[in-house]
Amino acid sequence: DVKVTQSSRYLVKRTGEKVFLECVQDMDHENMFWYRQDPGLGLRLIYFSYDVKMKEKGDIPEGYSVSREKKERFSLILESASTNQTSMYLCASSHRGLVRPQHFGDGTRLSIL
Amino acid sequence: DAKTTQPTSMDCAEGRAANLPCNHSTISGNEYVYWYRQIHSQGPQYIIHGLKNNETNEMASLIITEDRKSSTLILPHATLRDTAVYYCIVRVGTGGFKTIFGAGTRLFVKA
Repeated sequence: DVKVTQSSRYLVKRTGEKVFLECVQDMDHENMFWYRQDPGLGLRLIYFSYDVKMKEKGDIPEGYSVSREKKERFSLILESASTNQTSMYLCASSHRGLVRPQHFGDGTRLSIL
Repeated sequence: DAKTTQPTSMDCAEGRAANLPCNHSTISGNEYVYWYRQIHSQGPQYIIHGLKNNETNEMASLIITEDRKSSTLILPHATLRDTAVYYCIVRVGTGGFKTIFGAGTRLFVKA
């Protein structure tokens, strides 16, 4: 089975802090994704990566950056955390080929105080 | 990506088949239908996908109408652990990574 592991299930940070969310997948997937999930808004794509050191903006990239130095790891960075970034963050991965389904981690519930 | 419409919630008795409908009347020829579910406090879980033929795997069956404007996800023998929010999405198979989950259908499986 595909395993997508997110480093923390719950995280509490303060406004202005730099926050790192880590995601690791063990299935040699080329594509990796970061989403946030908010009530009433569904899942919204923040960034995705289709190869090492490659990244593309999703629907809501503002206030975020990403890093993919190794194929199995995709990091989401909140440069200066703000309260409106309090959310559930979900990482996903898939094989190359746009028909391939995405496999999700269990999420990180991030609270910015 | 085409918009989908699903009922807000449904009930199903344990052991019976759960049939979850999805309307995607504006689907285009190169868009696939995907189903995911999300159990409380977990990430979305992929269930099944298809283009125009019916599909079956160990989890569920997907029935797509001939005009492809609607589909039904069938869980043949629902268990209490199938209680979750089920999302139907359509996505282009040849372009775009954006996957948008709407409100979905909250399925309650009752003993």
